[in-house]
This record gives sequence, C-alpha cells and structure tokens, in this order.
Amino acid sequence: KQEVTQIPAALSVPEGENLVLNCSFTDSAIYNLQWFRQDPGKGLTSLLLIQSSQREQTSGRLNASLDKSSGRSTLYIAASQPGDSATYLCAVKYGGATNKLIFGTGTLLAVQP
Amino acid sequence: GAGVSQSPSNKVTEKGKDVELRCDPISGHTALYWYRQSLGQGLEFLIYFQGNSAPDKSGLPSDRFSAERTGGSVSTLTIQRTQQEDSAVYLCASSRREGATVRGEQFFGPGTRLTVL
Repeated sequence: KQEVTQIPAALSVPEGENLVLNCSFTDSAIYNLQWFRQDPGKGLTSLLLIQSSQREQTSGRLNASLDKSSGRSTLYIAASQPGDSATYLCAVKYGGATNKLIFGTGTLLAVQP
Repeated sequence: GAGVSQSPSNKVTEKGKDVELRCDPISGHTALYWYRQSLGQGLEFLIYFQGNSAPDKSGLPSDRFSAERTGGSVSTLTIQRTQQEDSAVYLCASSRREGATVRGEQFFGPGTRLTVL
C-alpha cells in the first residue's frame, strides 16, 4: 500500500532557527513529490515540486531534497519567521494512468517570535 | 491570471439534502482534481479529469458522489442524500498537461467547507 508519513506531527521553534521537516513514502517508484503549506481555514499553497530524477529544489529560504532509494524527502527552512507558521504537507504522485496525489499527515509548525 | 476558484466557500445543509460544489480551474489547465480533507481521514483523492479522457473516479467514496466537467473547464461535484460523515473541506486543484517541459504541478483552490447537520 502506498503511504506517506510526516514526522514530526507538530513542531515549535523560536524565530530565526533553521529547521527540517521530514516526509517518508513506502513505495519508492514515485513520479514526483510536492510540498505544500496550508494556513488555517485556507487551501493549499504549492511550495516546491521535485521530479523523480532530481535530488533537490530550492526557492528562497526553502530547500527540498529527495532520496528515492530510502523513500524520504526533507523540507529545510532557513532562518524561520513567524509568518512561516502553518501546516506543511508533502504529497507524492506515482506513475500510471492516475495523476492523483497521495498526501502525508502534515506537520504543524509554530515559529515563536 | 486568477488562481483556482471554488464556490460556495461555506455550505451548511441538512442530512438527506443534495449539494453542488463548483470549481473554476486556472485558465489553460487541462487537468482538474477533487480532494476531500476531513479530520479523521486527512487529505484524500476523489476524482480526476484530463481533457476529454474518461475521468478517474477511483476515489469517490460512494455512488452518492458524482462529478462532471463541462466544456473542459468548470467542474461540479454533486453529493446526493448528504450524510453527516460527508462533512469536510472539499478542495479542487488543476494542472497543466504534463510534457517534456511541463511538470504537472497541482494548484489548489481555497476549498468549500461542507457541514451536514
């Protein structure tokens, strides 16, 4: 069964700290992996997408890595800010006829000022 | 241009009533997806449309759920005879058709919060 897990479920850090969010998936035959953030009561905002052939993607203070062989991805946030507080979700797309995303359980991040 | 839009943003209905949720994808996006986000189940896939191909309905939880996409653009998700367990946030996403230079990144709308009393 294709499952996606995120650890930790919740994380609280002081402003300015660098942090890492983890995502693991049981089936390594992924097509791509996408990281999202979700603010309370809002939809999902796409942060980064990594293709299966890539090892990492960067956008501003965010860096996402992918290690297919170990079934893991990490989202690194540098110099965290209170505005980074949100739920972070990773989602995996597998090849085949369907393009559906399989979502992880999410990490609730709180950055304390 | 505008992002994915959904309406209504909130819907409260009584058990047994039918509801229709609407999604307007990003212009030019050929693929459209519906997902559901509930407290107990997290985010789960419901249905996927790609151009004129037959939709992937593998995620629909029961035959009370149906969706259509007219003219390759706007989509409507219909839930018949709503039950309390249908209460959730229904999210729509769209993406461009994947190709050599197109990654198929999915962009989400703000969602419709459905409450069944």
